[in-house]
Amino acid sequence: AQKITQTQPGMFVQEKEAVTLDCTYDTSDPSYGLFWYKQPSSGEMIFLIYQGSYDQQNATEGRYSLNFQKARKSANLVISASQLGDSAMYFCAMREARNTGGFKTIFGAGTRLFVKA
Amino acid sequence: GAVVSQHPSWVICKSGTSVKIECRSLDFQATTMFWYRQFPKQSLMLMATSNEGSKATYEQGVEKDKFLINHASLTLSTLTVTSAHPEDSSFYICSARLGTGGIEAKNIQYFGAGTRLSVL
Repeated sequence: AQKITQTQPGMFVQEKEAVTLDCTYDTSDPSYGLFWYKQPSSGEMIFLIYQGSYDQQNATEGRYSLNFQKARKSANLVISASQLGDSAMYFCAMREARNTGGFKTIFGAGTRLFVKA
Repeated sequence: GAVVSQHPSWVICKSGTSVKIECRSLDFQATTMFWYRQFPKQSLMLMATSNEGSKATYEQGVEKDKFLINHASLTLSTLTVTSAHPEDSSFYICSARLGTGGIEAKNIQYFGAGTRLSVL
């Protein structure tokens, strides 16, 4: 079963508009961390935003905000005022405990965002 | 943000040879580093977790003898693809975790730029 689900393979947004990228996750652990990364065509993974499972407030980082709905196990990324440079692949990720100790971070399939001028 | 350097960025090798990929955290110490593999237009697949001073933890289905990981210092982890074959051709990305907090701690994983491996 998918641990991280991103249901939107591709999204289009008009420049200067806001866009929401969906992410749902599956875990039975009370402690976990949620991340969003951006991967432009160059291939490098760029950290965008983080949400801890115990955080009461939604995380925000500049134009990025994370709509964290714990009961629904969703962690949607909201990008406000889209820019042409936001066109990239976006990955949702979850840090979870490993059965044998320690932890690991797993990634969703990604959503490709296209920003139109 | 913190910087993770990965070298080489691109390597072409003959089938049967071994290739070493280096991952360095340049401005922070990382007790834990991660190695991922990414196929074209697909997500990142975690291969193994590299722990400084101890053996790496491999994910299910990843051959330990095929993908040798060494985390000799707090700033360097290496992945060696032994006896590489065309099916090993892929994009390999390393990541280093900043900080040593618990699972829910905001210890960001910073990524290297990746290594594109082509095995002929």
